[in-house]
Amino acid sequence: DVKVTQSSRYLVKRTGEKVFLECVQDMDHENMFWYRQDPGLGLRLIYFSYDVKMKEKGDIPEGYSVSREKKERFSLILESASTNQTSMYLCASSLPLLGGGAGANVLTFGAGSRLTVL
Amino acid sequence: KQEVTQIPAALSVPEGENLVLNCSFTDSAIYNLQWFRQDPGKGLTSLLLIQSSQREQTSGRLNASLDKSSGRSTLYIAASQPGDSATYLCAASGYSTLTFGKGTMLLVSP
Repeated sequence: DVKVTQSSRYLVKRTGEKVFLECVQDMDHENMFWYRQDPGLGLRLIYFSYDVKMKEKGDIPEGYSVSREKKERFSLILESASTNQTSMYLCASSLPLLGGGAGANVLTFGAGSRLTVL
Repeated sequence: KQEVTQIPAALSVPEGENLVLNCSFTDSAIYNLQWFRQDPGKGLTSLLLIQSSQREQTSGRLNASLDKSSGRSTLYIAASQPGDSATYLCAASGYSTLTFGKGTMLLVSP
């Protein structure tokens, strides 16, 4: 069964800590995405990647960085966690659109990582 | 900038009813429209994807339609069951972006 695996379901961190959220997919997908989901705000795109070592900012990249050294792995990094980064983080992957656009074909999501920053 | 709206925000129905969830988008230049299901505290599960050239897609009791010219998609659920209770989200895909609606929370009571 193909899937997207997020390394941690629940994390509790302190303000100022560096936080790594890992995502691995086994579908050989080119596109990978990181979203955060908050009540009343819906899903918001943080970063996406359409190839190894390639990344593009989404709607809310401030305070985050990403790394994609291998095709199957996409990491989200909070350099200095803050309380307003408490959220559900969702990773997803997809094949690209025909012609290579980063818009998504069928998205496969991970189970999510709920981060609490104290 | 694409905006996606889902109405209603919440819906409660008795088991067995047929129901329609609505999704509207402001920019009709989309590549596809996707519907997802999300159970509480979980990730999203893809239900249906309609390509821009298609009018509808069906999977079991689910049928999704797309009218690009009017900027609308609907998800029809036939003979609803308590197990259908979840939040349903739609997302419109442009060439380089995917924009989600905020979802419709569905409760199907026995």
